[in-house]
Amino acid sequence: GESVGLHLPTLSVQEGDNSIINCAYSNSASDYFIWYKQESGKGPQFIIDIRSNMDKRQGQRVTVLLNKTVKHLSLQIAATQPGDSAVYFCAENLKLVFGQGTRLTINP
Amino acid sequence: DSGVTQTPKHLITATGQRVTLRCSPRSGDLSVYWYQQSLDQGLQFLIQYYNGEERAKGNILERFSAQQFPDLHSELNLSSLELGDSALYFCASSPAPFQGSGELFFGEGSRLTVL
Repeated sequence: GESVGLHLPTLSVQEGDNSIINCAYSNSASDYFIWYKQESGKGPQFIIDIRSNMDKRQGQRVTVLLNKTVKHLSLQIAATQPGDSAVYFCAENLKLVFGQGTRLTINP
Repeated sequence: DSGVTQTPKHLITATGQRVTLRCSPRSGDLSVYWYQQSLDQGLQFLIQYYNGEERAKGNILERFSAQQFPDLHSELNLSSLELGDSALYFCASSPAPFQGSGELFFGEGSRLTVL
């Protein structure tokens, strides 16, 4: 079920390290997925998307991996920078409810 | 700048009062979505409109209502406000219903504080 009401999970990484943020989705019929980044005090912004006919898609410093067998998405951020500090949400097109989100904190 | 405009940015009111939040979607977008985000929590979907008609409903309280007007702007009405209604309210828009594909474009949010 939805985890609305729980505090966000957190991930702390050292600056320069790679970050991996995970997300489980629920609807096996969903065929389009998006990762959003929400910086403090702002609305979520699009980072990268992937269609279900792909397993992997790369952007600038970000990679999304899709495992349809276990209904799992991951977002990899290479060489994490202070500006990457934010809450990251995944979304699937057949559900309007976002995932719980993960707060990424960068340690200097 | 996402192109989605929300007003007001901040609003402070008292319990029992009623407020209206306004959203202007990106030019050309037909779909509008409302989300509630309480402190340090995820985005809770409230309601979606497409071209003036309600398309999907989430966990929206009966005290809350929304509509999308012919010019495609939308309003979210919150009444009989309670302390727990204090939150950031986000509006998002998209050209077509999200159930297809394509991203949602979010506004900067309206921060509601109920005292």
